[in-house]
Amino acid sequence: AQSVTQLGSHVSVSEGALVLLRCNYSSSVPPYLFWYVQYPNQGLQLLLKYTTGATLVKGINGFEAEFKKSETSFHLTKPSAHMSDAAEYFCAASGGYQKVTFGTGTKLQVIP
Amino acid sequence: GAVVSQHPSWVICKSGTSVKIECRSLDFQATTMFWYRQFPKQSLMLMATSNEGSKATYEQGVEKDKFLINHASLTLSTLTVTSAHPEDSSFYICSASPGQGGNQPQHFGDGTRLSIL
Repeated sequence: AQSVTQLGSHVSVSEGALVLLRCNYSSSVPPYLFWYVQYPNQGLQLLLKYTTGATLVKGINGFEAEFKKSETSFHLTKPSAHMSDAAEYFCAASGGYQKVTFGTGTKLQVIP
Repeated sequence: GAVVSQHPSWVICKSGTSVKIECRSLDFQATTMFWYRQFPKQSLMLMATSNEGSKATYEQGVEKDKFLINHASLTLSTLTVTSAHPEDSSFYICSASPGQGGNQPQHFGDGTRLSIL
């Protein structure tokens, strides 16, 4: 069974600072990995995904994530935080089928 | 592309009422859709997998008779909360994928905020 761990339920950064949201997965085989963002009272929007190939994946809104098999990690980064990045972020993993396992989420606060 | 529409976005009703939530894939066909429940400040909890033309697969602890799922077509799944009570108040979200494999990301509806008085 897969599990997804997000370290830090809340992360605060200053506007313009680096954003780093951590995600580790536990799986017997490398899963497919996703990052989603959720704004209040909305569904989830896909930021980026890793399936195969290049381990550094770029997503929307300037976010990127790197798949590191040796560390079983898929951390999300953005060089410079904007106020509009304030939201909740979910890391997720799936295996050969569509069923997805979500992390517990990290709420990002951006301080002006 | 890959848009999922969920309706209604907000429901307030009296205890004992049944509430139906619709989830539609607008520009793709989905043989499988998923229904989640999200409690405040928590992650998404998978309730059930909705399969077109067959019975839904419920996760452990989810009452089948309480949460009725019907996947009538390749673009529509419905979740009916029967005889809703205040403890059923929550944020319900559906998702679907254009593809079959796990490498296909889920696309989510905007969710339904259900408040039972």
